[in-house]
Amino acid sequence: SQKIEQNSEALNIQEGKTATLTCNYTNYSPAYLQWYRQDPGRGPVFLLLIRENEKEKRKERLKVTFDTTLKQSLFHITASQPADSATYLCALVPLNSGYALNFGKGTSLLVTP
Amino acid sequence: DAGITQSPRHKVTETGTPVTLRCHQTENHRYMYWYRQDPGHGLRLIHYSYGVKDTDKGEVSDGYSVSRSKTEDFLLTLESATSSQTSVYFCAISPQAEHSIGYTFGSGTRLTVV
Repeated sequence: SQKIEQNSEALNIQEGKTATLTCNYTNYSPAYLQWYRQDPGRGPVFLLLIRENEKEKRKERLKVTFDTTLKQSLFHITASQPADSATYLCALVPLNSGYALNFGKGTSLLVTP
Repeated sequence: DAGITQSPRHKVTETGTPVTLRCHQTENHRYMYWYRQDPGHGLRLIHYSYGVKDTDKGEVSDGYSVSRSKTEDFLLTLESATSSQTSVYFCAISPQAEHSIGYTFGSGTRLTVV
């Protein structure tokens, strides 16, 4: 069966450090992998997209890597700030349906001063 | 959230009653989606639409129906609400099928079935 796995345990880091979140998937052959941020009581907000032929993508303090051999994406936030505290979701398109994203359950990040 | 609104934001309803949630967009996007989000399950696709009057089922479509008579509106109906349908419902929009850009989500509707 198709699975998208993200660390279920919350990630607690100190302000200024780099946060690294993991997304592993099985039985997908995605053309794209997306990352979203979700704050309590709000809808997810799109952050970054990486294509299967891209190894790395950057946007300001965010960096995403995509290893289709390992079937894994890493999401990094450098120089983390308390305002980065949120839940982060990765999302993929199933190979045979093609019309809608499937989401991982998300990893909660807490950045403490 | 710019360009997409969900209504109502909160609703409490009784078991067995029909409920309709509305998603309205001003972006003229072709694709619209309904997800539900529950603790331990994350976001799960209920139904989606790829054009006016064109809809299809997602992984958790039982007990739900949808309609899209206009580009801007996508309605989700619980035919006979059950307690298992207590959840937070999110609508999302996208301009294209290739998923080369991200979805835009609404703020959600918190539905409680008692």
